Amino acid sequence: EDQVTQSPEALRLQEGESSSLNCSYTVSGLRGLFWYRQDPGKGPEFLFTLYSAGEEKEKERLKATLTKKESFLHITAPKPEDSATYLCAVQAGASSASKIIFGSGTRLSIRP
Amino acid sequence: DAGVIQSPRHEVTEMGQEVTLRCKPISGHNSLFWYRQTMMRGLELLIYFNNNVPIDDSGMPEDRFSAKMPNASFSTLKIQPSEPRDSAVYFCASSGTGHSGNTIYFGEGSWLTVV
Repeated sequence: EDQVTQSPEALRLQEGESSSLNCSYTVSGLRGLFWYRQDPGKGPEFLFTLYSAGEEKEKERLKATLTKKESFLHITAPKPEDSATYLCAVQAGASSASKIIFGSGTRLSIRP
Repeated sequence: DAGVIQSPRHEVTEMGQEVTLRCKPISGHNSLFWYRQTMMRGLELLIYFNNNVPIDDSGMPEDRFSAKMPNASFSTLKIQPSEPRDSAVYFCASSGTGHSGNTIYFGEGSWLTVV
């Protein structure tokens, strides 16, 4: 069964303190791995898509990396506005119409 | 570009009543997803459509839940009869092909409370 596990469940950092969030997955035939940010009361907001091991994507203070078993979301010198829940999702299977399943998320809190 | 549009944003209803949630996907997208989010279970995929056809409804919790997509620009998720345990945020999302690949984009959600 396809599975996505995120860790830690919650992370509290001081402003400027860099860290990484983990997303490990077990799927047959990865088609894509996605990172989303979700603010309270809002829908998930798309950040990155990674398709193959070794791929990296960056956006401002965020960098996502991918291996054959896991993905990391690195946060460099975070600011309070980076506080949110970060969700990882995977799409697997032979078809581009395969379903996309989500991990339970990491709640990130950045203290000023 | 307009994003995924959901209505209503908030609904409070009594147990046993019928609830209908509506979704307009992003124009040109050919896949549509309904998710439910709760604190306990996170984001769960209920059902998804491709080219208006239901592909996988294995996440639909029980027969009280039904979803339709009569055309490429509209979908409904219906709960009849509703129960307090159905209280959650229901998200609609859509994805297409082209430069965005299979990335799915979410609406703002419909917050359902069943009392």
